Amino acid sequence: GDSVTQMEGPVTLSEEAFLTINCTYTATGYPSLFWYVQYPGEGLQLLLKATKADDKGSNKGFEATYRKETTSFHLEKGSVQVSDSAVYFCALREGQGAQKLVFGQGTRLTINP
Amino acid sequence: NAGVMQNPRHLVRRRGQEARLRCSPMKGHSHVYWYRQLPEEGLKFMVYLQKENIIDESGMPKERFSAEFPKEGPSILRIQQVVRGDSAAYFCASSPPGVSTEAFFGQGTRLTVV
Repeated sequence: GDSVTQMEGPVTLSEEAFLTINCTYTATGYPSLFWYVQYPGEGLQLLLKATKADDKGSNKGFEATYRKETTSFHLEKGSVQVSDSAVYFCALREGQGAQKLVFGQGTRLTINP
Repeated sequence: NAGVMQNPRHLVRRRGQEARLRCSPMKGHSHVYWYRQLPEEGLKFMVYLQKENIIDESGMPKERFSAEFPKEGPSILRIQQVVRGDSAAYFCASSPPGVSTEAFFGQGTRLTVV
């Protein structure tokens, strides 16, 4: 079945550092890809998404590009802030008509001032 | 427009008791999904419901777990005779009708079985 593999955490960075969190997927069809963020004690919030190959999703300074050739959707940010500390989940939704999300295991990010 | 509302936020049950978790979707949303998050793991899909119908329950354990989304009222995830391994965060998400629509998540119910 479909699956998502994320970079192992936890990840600790200093403020203003460059961030990359790797995400690769396995899917039989043409999935949509998502990054969700979970702040402490809260539910998941959609951070960004991409629905087809070469699409770039972006939000709040975060970016991820849907790479079909490498089956990847790596999350990047040029300069992280303390407020970015959270758990980040990569997810896919199978092709047209499917509804359920398949999540990676999550990457805990801590940003130190 | 209030977000997806889940209650209770925290639930403690003794082994063998029943747990009932409630989810009120966003206004206008007729699709509800339940996910389970075990400690330090990602979310695992459990069940997808529309009003009065179970569409996909491929992630539901075969025994003790059931879900409903009645015509009126919230969606309910019911766990009978809870065991320690049921301790987890249970998240509900909802989406409007139509394909490829975004799902919005609630804050979750953290179930602890003692």
